[in-house]
Amino acid sequence: GENVEQHPSTLSVQEGDSAVIKCTYSDSASNYFPWYKQELGKRPQLIIDIRSNVGEKKDQRIAVTLNKTAKHFSLHITETQPEDSAVYFCAASYYNNNDMRFGAGTRLTVKP
Amino acid sequence: EAGVAQSPRYKIIEKRQSVAFWCNPISGHATLYWYQQILGQGPKLLIQFQNNGVVDDSQLPKDRFSAERLKGVDSTLKIQPAKLEDSAVYLCASRSDLRDTQYFGPGTRLTVL
Repeated sequence: GENVEQHPSTLSVQEGDSAVIKCTYSDSASNYFPWYKQELGKRPQLIIDIRSNVGEKKDQRIAVTLNKTAKHFSLHITETQPEDSAVYFCAASYYNNNDMRFGAGTRLTVKP
Repeated sequence: EAGVAQSPRYKIIEKRQSVAFWCNPISGHATLYWYQQILGQGPKLLIQFQNNGVVDDSQLPKDRFSAERLKGVDSTLKIQPAKLEDSAVYLCASRSDLRDTQYFGPGTRLTVL
């Protein structure tokens, strides 16, 4: 089955700086890559996603890049704010969102 | 639209007891997922339903866990008997056939003593 590795496990940045979280996946058949934000005690919420036929996707301060050849994808957050502090999870799945596998998570802290 | 509903929100049981969790997905969502999230880890898929059929249950410990979605809407997940290592948050998610996004419920926090 698919294996997703996520780095770093913790990340601390100053407000206004950029944050980058990286994930690698093992199965070249994976074609859907979402990123979730989970605040303490809350449910995971989708913040951005990308399909394998696209190399990059951007939504305001958040962007995701995908390198299919290297089997890795990254989350980029620019102009970070204290409210961006949370745990971020990457995930990978096959066609139709089957067999979703999550990374172990990155705890992001944005210092004011 | 109403979100994914789960109950109970919290449950404390002793090892070897049984427990059941309930999930009501967003109306019209054909796909339903159950995940186990152990503290400090990412969610782990236990089972995926498409309507009332099982799509994937490869990571479900079938000797003690069972799940059903008899009418293709609500679902229940049962653990019998529970072990200490089952302590986790059990998340339910649902997805429409028309979109990729999985929407998660608030979860049930299970503590096994």
